[in-house]
Amino acid sequence: AQRVTQPEKLLSVFKGAPVELKCNYSYSGSPELFWYVQYSRQRLQLLLRHISRESIKGFTADLNKGETSFHLKKPFAQEEDSAMYYCALSGIGYSTLTFGKGTMLLVSP
Amino acid sequence: DTAVSQTPKYLVTQMGNDKSIKCEQNLGHDTMYWYKQDSKKFLKIMFSYNNKELIINETVPNRFSPKSPDKAHLNLHINSLELGDSAVYFCASSQEDRGISGELFFGEGSRLTVL
Repeated sequence: AQRVTQPEKLLSVFKGAPVELKCNYSYSGSPELFWYVQYSRQRLQLLLRHISRESIKGFTADLNKGETSFHLKKPFAQEEDSAMYYCALSGIGYSTLTFGKGTMLLVSP
Repeated sequence: DTAVSQTPKYLVTQMGNDKSIKCEQNLGHDTMYWYKQDSKKFLKIMFSYNNKELIINETVPNRFSPKSPDKAHLNLHINSLELGDSAVYFCASSQEDRGISGELFFGEGSRLTVL
């Protein structure tokens, strides 16, 4: 069975502070990991995926297979980063995603 | 030119009623999904259809019946609505291709409130 754990329901930081949203997963095979974001009044959308190894809006995430983690990081948070962030896992062979429970990020001025 | 569109956006109804939510995607994707987001914002897969065929059916009461008339549409019909069905229902689509595996395109959601 595949499972995604996001231990923090809410993360509140000040503008300019570093941000780390935690994500741990459980999967017996080789997973594909993703971060999705839902801004206020907008639809859920893909932020980044581990296979791309890219930085989007200043966010990065590294897959750590030893720790089974895929934490999302940004060195300097901005107010516009305030949103709900979901970590998601896909197994090999099909695209159905299993989502974590989400972490609400609030960035205060 | 909305990629994934759902109707209605809001639905308020009484317990015991039957209601439907429609979803359409114009991305040419071959797989569509229904997710339920509860009051705690937890997203859970309900159904997945690939080329009009059901491929995933999670533990969902049989009061929920998805219908896919063609691969661009996946509708959700709910019979005998209960209070616990109140949630936001998200439709999504993807292309079953390893090159873009895992990228789901979501609709804006349909907020169902059962009174």
